[in-house]
Amino acid sequence: GENVEQHPSTLSVQEGDSAVIKCTYSDSASNYFPWYKQELGKGPQLIIDIRSNVGEKKDQRIAVTLNKTAKHFSLHITETQPEDSAVYFCAASKDSGYALNFGKGTSLLVTP
Amino acid sequence: NAGVTQTPKFQVLKTGQSMTLQCAQDMNHEYMSWYRQDPGMGLRLIHYSVGAGITDQGEVPNGYNVSRSTTEDFPLRLLSAAPSQTSVYFCASSRDGEAFFGQGTRLTVV
Repeated sequence: GENVEQHPSTLSVQEGDSAVIKCTYSDSASNYFPWYKQELGKGPQLIIDIRSNVGEKKDQRIAVTLNKTAKHFSLHITETQPEDSAVYFCAASKDSGYALNFGKGTSLLVTP
Repeated sequence: NAGVTQTPKFQVLKTGQSMTLQCAQDMNHEYMSWYRQDPGMGLRLIHYSVGAGITDQGEVPNGYNVSRSTTEDFPLRLLSAAPSQTSVYFCASSRDGEAFFGQGTRLTVV
């Protein structure tokens, strides 16, 4: 089955700096790559996603890049703020987002 | 708009007991799924449904049953609880691939 690796497991940055989280996947048939943010005691919430026919997508301070050849994708958060502190999960799916295979998560801490 | 509602939020079971985790959505989504989240493991798919009357197994289905009699509801049944099923359980409903998660049920089996 699909195997999604996520790095780093923890990340600490100062407010205003950028944060980058990287994921690799194993199944070349995967075609949908979402990123979820999970705050303490809550369910994951979609923050951005990308499909395999696109190389990059941006939404304000958040961007995702996809390299299909290398089978990796990354989340970039610029101008980080303390409210960005949370656990971030990447996922991959080969049925356009229905059965998701998640990475193990990155705990991001943004210090003022 | 409630989205995805899970009940209960917390539950403690004794080994061997059975129970049902409830999940309801009001977004008229065809696709629903159950995940479990364990420390350092991310979320793992237990069962999913692509519509009423249709269910299938995910990555970790053993010890769990599901049914989908309506579009709105997708309950998860633990047949005989084991300590290994101690986890946080999330239900999700999806449209166009985007999954909306409930707030989770924290289950402890002693």
